[in-house]
Amino acid sequence: DARVTQTPRHKVTEMGQEVTMRCQPILGHNTVFWYRQTMMQGLELLAYFRNRAPLDDSGMPKDRFSAEMPDATLATLKIQPSEPRDSAVYFCASGLALWAGQETQYFGPGTRLLVL
Amino acid sequence: RKEVEQDPGPFNVPEGATVAFNCTYSNSASQSFFWYRQDCRKEPKLLMSVYSSGNEDGRFTAQLNRASQYISLLIRDSKLSDSATYLCVVNIPSGAGSYQLTFGKGTKLSVIP
Repeated sequence: DARVTQTPRHKVTEMGQEVTMRCQPILGHNTVFWYRQTMMQGLELLAYFRNRAPLDDSGMPKDRFSAEMPDATLATLKIQPSEPRDSAVYFCASGLALWAGQETQYFGPGTRLLVL
Repeated sequence: RKEVEQDPGPFNVPEGATVAFNCTYSNSASQSFFWYRQDCRKEPKLLMSVYSSGNEDGRFTAQLNRASQYISLLIRDSKLSDSATYLCVVNIPSGAGSYQLTFGKGTKLSVIP
């Protein structure tokens, strides 16, 4: 049963520290997404890759967040420096875009981040 | 107007009841539509896609009304295990032939014994 995996599952850190979250998409999927979920805002798209190329990162605070896909099996989301307002659940999702406009996404279990 | 809007609920219904959720979307060029389910402290999971002709999966029926720009989810004979948050998801054009899945904030359902 293919699944998206994310590490770490939980992270507690202090303000100003670097946080790196990792995601392994489902083998064969060509799209990867990073989302942030909070009670107030719901699910917000941070970044989106297709065939490892970044397509949209307009939802991401550029000054402190960065997203990369060094290879097809790994996506990373970094926050440097982290701030308390970054506390949230960060989900990675992968999908197979057969044609524009038709796509389903499969989510990983998320990384619960708490910045003190 | 928000791109995808849902009533946050909560909807508290007794076991066996029928419950319906609606979701409206603002972009008439939206191509595809889905319902996801999210259990407490878990990731969202695809429940079903929504097709123009309407589609059914067991106790779940999804409908799309393009003219009025809303989709609906009907749950019949609700079970305790249906308690979750239901997310409406719309694929919205984001320019240059690209689309972006946009999630509503979800409708919370509690099925009561």
